[in-house]
Amino acid sequence: DGGITQSPKYLFRKEGQNVTLSCEQNLNHDAMYWYRQDPGQGLRLIYYSQIVNDFQKGDIAEGYSVSREKKESFPLTVTSAQKNPTAFYLCASSPGQENHNEQFFGPGTRLTVL
Amino acid sequence: AQSVAQPEDQVNVAEGNPLTVKCTYSVSGNPYLFWYVQYPNRGLQFLLKYITGDNLVKGSYGFEAEFNKSQTSFHLKKPSALVSDSALYFCAVRDWGNTPLVFGKGTRLSVIA
Repeated sequence: DGGITQSPKYLFRKEGQNVTLSCEQNLNHDAMYWYRQDPGQGLRLIYYSQIVNDFQKGDIAEGYSVSREKKESFPLTVTSAQKNPTAFYLCASSPGQENHNEQFFGPGTRLTVL
Repeated sequence: AQSVAQPEDQVNVAEGNPLTVKCTYSVSGNPYLFWYVQYPNRGLQFLLKYITGDNLVKGSYGFEAEFNKSQTSFHLKKPSALVSDSALYFCAVRDWGNTPLVFGKGTRLSVIA
């Protein structure tokens, strides 16, 4: 069963704690992305990676960190420096370098800070 | 910088009527345009894309979109709306390479029986 998996589906965190969101894909895609979704604000790019061992900051990278040690995996850490982390987090991937490729999305992780 | 605008936060349509969800874009080069749909607490599902060629693009679930270069628009359409089409719709754009898609803020479509 090919696709993108994100875990956990729901995550609760106390203020001051770091938390890591998992994203795995078995589509053999080169590029992977993390977006944050808040009501009325659409999707905002946090980080992206076009190749293993390389990643770039998106529009709202402050308070977040990522790694891309394997092609299949792109975990996102929400650090205690992120001031308002409660949101729905979406991971996506896309193949190759062509500009016409759509992005495939995972089911999302809803993070709530208590 | 590339950008997308979805001017309507909410669109209400009666079941069986045609629907249109609007999208305008701004890019420096040739646009690559996409539509996605999102159901509650789910990821985004790809509907259709415009790359080049025919201005009318057909996609999943009976949706289509019309690319208009002079008006820089890419409106999503469906001839006859279903209650099950009720969801959040996102327009997205990319102008080069495999850079991340830039998304609009989304339009909530409500189809009323």
